[in-house]
Amino acid sequence: DTEVTQTPKHLVMGMTNKKSLKCEQHMGHRAMYWYKQKAKKPPELMFVYSYEKLSINESVPSRFSPECPNSSLLNLHLHALQPEDSALYLCASSHPMGENYGYTFGSGTRLTVV
Amino acid sequence: AQKITQTQPGMFVQEKEAVTLDCTYDTSDQSYGLFWYKQPSSGEMIFLIYQGSYDEQNATEGRYSLNFQKARKSANLVISASQLGDSAMYFCAMREGDNYGQNFVFGPGTRLSVLP
Repeated sequence: DTEVTQTPKHLVMGMTNKKSLKCEQHMGHRAMYWYKQKAKKPPELMFVYSYEKLSINESVPSRFSPECPNSSLLNLHLHALQPEDSALYLCASSHPMGENYGYTFGSGTRLTVV
Repeated sequence: AQKITQTQPGMFVQEKEAVTLDCTYDTSDQSYGLFWYKQPSSGEMIFLIYQGSYDEQNATEGRYSLNFQKARKSANLVISASQLGDSAMYFCAMREGDNYGQNFVFGPGTRLSVLP
């Protein structure tokens, strides 16, 4: 299995809603990442989990809450989002270091906050 | 300073012709890796090709080749025999040292349009 699976593919939520994005991989990668990507821009790093522990939080607002329940799963819990949070949210995984294929990305969740 | 520069916001190429997408990078590390990703309108980031800083030969993967000029710090992607399905956003990326996370940076991207 060489895939990163993200669900849902599309999500529309109101500013008072609580929702979660899910990411799953079975490649044995021990580093997992959340990226946010606005239209026509490169992905921006949000969070890094290494060996199921949060190692990097790029000053992301607390309305985004990541969780890594096990080595295969990564969640992003969303609460009280703003319209400017509408974006493509990409999950990726990799070996923590040294492997030559960079990241394996999921197909992303297109989030619209209304 | 930007770590990765892609000077072509948009490129057009005729179907079946070759095209070169430019990428220059800036690092003081001796060990680093350079990557190219393709992102179609569907959103998925697809890995295309990798070049390590110590690799002496230019990387090739099918129709993709990487023109690596270390002294000039450039890592241009060459796509031969363009196909309509090659129309997408292309990102050059660099991993500094051996770690990912904050050490993995993307360029601004080049949008390639293949014309029939």
